[in-house]
Amino acid sequence: RKEVEQDPGPFNVPEGATVAFNCTYSNSASQSFFWYRQDCRKEPKLLMSVYSSGNEDGRFTAQLNRASQYISLLIRDSKLSDSATYLCVVNSRTGNQFYFGTGTSLTVIP
Amino acid sequence: EPEVTQTPSHQVTQMGQEVILRCVPISNHLYFYWYRQILGQKVEFLVSFYNNEISEKSEIFDDQFSVERPDGSNFTLKIRSTKLEDSAMYFCASTPRRGLAVNNEQFFGPGTRLTVL
Repeated sequence: RKEVEQDPGPFNVPEGATVAFNCTYSNSASQSFFWYRQDCRKEPKLLMSVYSSGNEDGRFTAQLNRASQYISLLIRDSKLSDSATYLCVVNSRTGNQFYFGTGTSLTVIP
Repeated sequence: EPEVTQTPSHQVTQMGQEVILRCVPISNHLYFYWYRQILGQKVEFLVSFYNNEISEKSEIFDDQFSVERPDGSNFTLKIRSTKLEDSAMYFCASTPRRGLAVNNEQFFGPGTRLTVL
């Protein structure tokens, strides 16, 4: 079983749309959860950490459901600049290894 | 803003040659990582490093790979005898806190693209 699973997409949405990405993880001992974005041929960059109570940063909202081992990311009012691959990242039981999902590709269309 | 740097940005080598990829983590960070990303595939963990020793490594990190922190700033990944399948982007990352700290963010360098011919 994969450590982290994501729907690869692609998601093609018009500007202004709301889009949601989902991610499941297999290790119930994981304690750190993140969404990163990766632009083509660039390094991953942290978008936001995911807190147990859920958290919001501007147009982005992240949710964590520990019971279901499920993480989500909601993007409201999509911008052209949101076009990227969104990576779900979870740490290992020891905390010394981080597992990446395959990423979900988003294209925001004018 | 402090950042992780990596050199070279692109390395081309012949199969069987040794390569050393270099990283300078953020200066007050204590935990260091190497990842690889084969073109079109996901980011894969290779190794984590703390206090001058390996904390954890994946099954990818076999005897052909080694890491070192030769001085107070550099963190290197050596591949002893490169194979065609080692062609990938290699990312270095660092964090300020121990692995199990909640919301322990990683800061990534821009990567080194390794091409093995």
